[in-house]
Amino acid sequence: EAGVTQSPTHLIKTRGQQATLRCSPISGHTSVYWYQQALGLGLQFLLWYDEGEERNRGNFPPRFSGRQFPNYSSELNVNALELEDSALYLCASSLSRDGNSPLHFGNGTRLTVT
Amino acid sequence: ILNVEQSPQSLHVQEGDSTNFTCSFPSSNFYALHWYRWETAKSPEALFVMTLNGDEKKKGRISATLNTKEGYSYLYIKGSQPEDSATYLCACQIYNQGGKLIFGQGTELSVKP
Repeated sequence: EAGVTQSPTHLIKTRGQQATLRCSPISGHTSVYWYQQALGLGLQFLLWYDEGEERNRGNFPPRFSGRQFPNYSSELNVNALELEDSALYLCASSLSRDGNSPLHFGNGTRLTVT
Repeated sequence: ILNVEQSPQSLHVQEGDSTNFTCSFPSSNFYALHWYRWETAKSPEALFVMTLNGDEKKKGRISATLNTKEGYSYLYIKGSQPEDSATYLCACQIYNQGGKLIFGQGTELSVKP
């Protein structure tokens, strides 16, 4: 069974640009989650998508947005990049949406904003 | 602000030692508690998901307990091996916050041969 895949592995952008990160969940998983790990901080919840809809979002500005496609893959978009957006972005998927299922994480996208 | 606290921040043990970590979380509106292991250059791997007060789970040499009334969980590793070296994360989900796990900062374990 293929795991959660994320692309690209690394992304370097300039302040003010836009970044697009992609995630493919494990086959059969309909829920996709995005987390940010900035330097020195723990994993912070960004977004949760299930069945194509945004179900919950964390305390991040509207510059952080995304979507989930009919095949359950997902995209995270970060507009008007700021230096503090430099972080590891992890995507995860789960079999069910009820919180009792473990998350399966991808290897992450390391975003660097210069 | 809801916080999940883990202690200690880091731990250095010898191969064969048994060790344990603590995770403290908000006991009100508790829904589920997750434990993950995160090895360097890999992705976090799920160890346990626990929901009921008094839950105990075991996976090989690793076990975990849950006390939802007082808001803590313990993770135990029996006979630590070098391959157990990793950061151990706990995360809490509360009611009405579907999909959102609140992660602690993790406990970094280093096991020396």
